Amino acid sequence: GAVVSQHPSWVICKSGTSVKIECRSLDFQATTMFWYRQFPKQSLMLMATSNEGSKATYEQGVEKDKFLINHASLTLSTLTVTSAHPEDSSFYICSAREARRINTEAFFGQGTRLTVV
Amino acid sequence: DAKTTQPPSMDCAEGRAANLPCNHSTISGNEYVYWYRQIHSQGPQYIIHGLKNNETNEMASLIITEDRKSSTLILPHATLRDTAVYYCIVRVAGDKLVFGAGTILRVKS
Repeated sequence: GAVVSQHPSWVICKSGTSVKIECRSLDFQATTMFWYRQFPKQSLMLMATSNEGSKATYEQGVEKDKFLINHASLTLSTLTVTSAHPEDSSFYICSAREARRINTEAFFGQGTRLTVV
Repeated sequence: DAKTTQPPSMDCAEGRAANLPCNHSTISGNEYVYWYRQIHSQGPQYIIHGLKNNETNEMASLIITEDRKSSTLILPHATLRDTAVYYCIVRVAGDKLVFGAGTILRVKS
């Protein structure tokens, strides 16, 4: 199956700093990528939908100025957590769907565990 | 997206078939049924999806009732590595995936 890679797998940062997470589709072009957040023992919560070359669409309650999403190419989307605080500590997961194949599965990255201290 | 209902947890003996039910009584005609699973601390893994016909692949089988209001994911010979949270999701092609609580499947030896 298609491969989606996230980097880094885990990161620890100090409160107040910003952290960038990369999501790459390795063997296909992804017009659309999705960003999720997952707290312990909870399900995945969709944060935003990222479309190549346009602004991301954020779900209700997600601060767009805090979670900056950039989807500059068909194989790369980035999520930047700005001015991170301990409550932002979570498991962040991206997924990507192959361009022009909307009636197919989305593939997920391995996730990035963010710990803000 | 239509809401799905799954049992919170299930146990299955190793080597036996695991049958995971999903109720989606409000599914509309153009919504597909997708199944994903998530093993602890990993990203979700695609399993299978279907519209109205039963589907089978190397991982599992998907049985969708004729009225499409429910479906069952079948893992024919469950192994310990199949222990995971299984998510049943319905969505229109091209739309975002919205995850519910899923079913925790515990495969026991």
